[in-house]
Amino acid sequence: KQEVTQIPAALSVPEGENLVLNCSFTDSAIYNLQWFRQDPGKGLTSLLLIQSSQREQTSGRLNASLDKSSGRSTLYIAASQPGDSATYLCAGPSRSGGYQKVTFGTGTKLQVIP
Amino acid sequence: ETGVTQSPTHLIKTRGQQVTLRCSSQSGHNTVSWYQQALGQGPQFIFQYYREEENGRGNFPPRFSGLQFPNYSSELNVNALELDDSALYLCASSPGGGRYNEQFFGPGTRLTVL
Repeated sequence: KQEVTQIPAALSVPEGENLVLNCSFTDSAIYNLQWFRQDPGKGLTSLLLIQSSQREQTSGRLNASLDKSSGRSTLYIAASQPGDSATYLCAGPSRSGGYQKVTFGTGTKLQVIP
Repeated sequence: ETGVTQSPTHLIKTRGQQVTLRCSSQSGHNTVSWYQQALGQGPQFIFQYYREEENGRGNFPPRFSGLQFPNYSSELNVNALELDDSALYLCASSPGGGRYNEQFFGPGTRLTVL
């Protein structure tokens, strides 16, 4: 059974800091790893998708890495801004009992202080 | 190209009733997944449909059922509503078989069960 853990659960940083969010998963047979952001009461916005054969993806100030052997992914945010304040979630699909399942972490709630 | 849309935005039901939530996928996306997100938690995978057939299911009872239609729309039906069914329900669409593909989420339907 896939379990996804995100650490820390909450993070508060001053504007301009670089920061790292962590995502750990127990089943290394994931097909990909996707990072999302979620604003309060809203749906999820896709940030980055890393295929199982890739090691990292970059988009603007965001960089995500994937290490399947250690069961870890990190999301690096450079030069954080107040607009980055949101909950960040990671998720990965894997096979379980003949079915495909997608497991999300519980998220990291980020607050960037001006 | 329009994004993923969901209706209604909010819904209030009483315990024991039945509810149908609707999702319209992005054009050309033949995979749709449904998630339940309780307050303060990460989304929980309910099931996934590919070309109108269920091809993935999470740990939800049979009273959660779904349908996918050829016009890229889908439904989530929940029978015999319970108080714990109160949550944000999200649908996500992806192109192709969905296994290696990026998911795009709708804004969600907030269901309250009284």
